Amino acid sequence: DGGITQSPKYLFRKEGQNVTLSCEQNLNHDAMYWYRQDPGQGLRLIYYSQIVNDFQKGDIAEGYSVSREKKESFPLTVTSAQKNPTAFYLCASMGRSSYNSPLHFGNGTRLTVT
Amino acid sequence: AQRVTQPEKLLSVFKGAPVELKCNYSYSGSPELFWYVQYSRQRLQLLLRHISRESIKGFTADLNKGETSFHLKKPFAQEEDSAMYYCALYNFNKFYFGSGTKLNVKP
Repeated sequence: DGGITQSPKYLFRKEGQNVTLSCEQNLNHDAMYWYRQDPGQGLRLIYYSQIVNDFQKGDIAEGYSVSREKKESFPLTVTSAQKNPTAFYLCASMGRSSYNSPLHFGNGTRLTVT
Repeated sequence: AQRVTQPEKLLSVFKGAPVELKCNYSYSGSPELFWYVQYSRQRLQLLLRHISRESIKGFTADLNKGETSFHLKKPFAQEEDSAMYYCALYNFNKFYFGSGTKLNVKP
């Protein structure tokens, strides 16, 4: 069953700790994305990667880091520098063409930092 | 800069009534525009894309370059249409999303 898997579904952390959110896809998609979803603000782009070993900052990259060592995986680390880390995080992937293979989303990870 | 605006946070209609979810964008070139939908307890998924001029689940969306709009329409709303709807613009390898409109179809 092809798709995108995000884990865990819920994550709780203490303030000051780094935390890594997992995103794996078996769709053979080249591009992968991380979005943050907050009530009333829609989806805001954190980081994206078009190919392995390459990634770019999105609109709200401060306090986050990513890696793309494998095509299938695009983990997101929420660092202690992120001022408001509590949010719902969505991972997505896309094939070579936005028309033939538009964004596919994971089920999301809800991070709560206290 | 690219921007997608969905002015309505919540839209409530009765079953069988027409529905229109508004989306306006700011972009100087020829945009690629999409509507994504998120039903309760399901992941975000593509509803339709402007370039294919398709009708999905009775929904259509017409690109109006003069008004820079891409409104989503359905002539007769059904209860199963209740969901969160996001308008999105694709440019330079990035998708820009609006803030979303929650559609509530009442019986």
